[in-house]
Amino acid sequence: QSALTQPASLSGSPGQSITISCTGATGDIGDYKFVSWYQQHPGKAPKLMIYEVTNRPSGVSNRFSGSKSGNTASLTISGLQAEDEADYYCSSYTYRSTRVFGTGTKVTVL
Amino acid sequence: EVELLESGGGLVQPGGSLRLSCVTSGFTFSSYALSWVRQAPGKGLEWVSSISASGASLYSEDSLKGRFIISRDNSKSTLFLQMISLRVEDTAIYYCAKQIGSTATDFDSWGQGTLVTVSS
Repeated sequence: QSALTQPASLSGSPGQSITISCTGATGDIGDYKFVSWYQQHPGKAPKLMIYEVTNRPSGVSNRFSGSKSGNTASLTISGLQAEDEADYYCSSYTYRSTRVFGTGTKVTVL
Repeated sequence: EVELLESGGGLVQPGGSLRLSCVTSGFTFSSYALSWVRQAPGKGLEWVSSISASGASLYSEDSLKGRFIISRDNSKSTLFLQMISLRVEDTAIYYCAKQIGSTATDFDSWGQGTLVTVSS
């Protein structure tokens, strides 16, 4: 299973909004609701930010939102803050009952 | 509070074996699917294997089948990963992750990881 495609890096100034894309194919993102996003700070374990495409776990800021259109999922971070600087990964369930992660996006707050 | 604590990592020679464990607490272990996810140094996340809540269904990355076997002991709230014929490219931090439901859903809690280094 090939990794989902994400931009390698994105940057924005404090207060701005950025959107991270995650492109898959039929058989993963396009066909299932189990698409999630994870934030990972250096040396730390990943943290769930969005699950089932649009849902935010308790405790995650409402500045984070998720969506999906066709074979592409997106994570939008609004009102960018310094603490949002991290690596972000998408993940999807697949038709073979497996999971696949995205290539990862490094977000820099300028 | 959900907690997952991995152990069993370490330095092993190519061709060797290791058994990773993940002791959990804070949730009804037998009601949730669990997975192993790894991350090679400086690289992205890679899904390794998942097991359903009952343990009846196992899923693994094709390239790892036959070498990595996931299992669970619901009486001890513990997840395992048996790894054999280890290769240099298996060097990574191995994370234990709890899934939201009883089958292959999204990962809502993660352990801190255990480092596996395969080197001669």
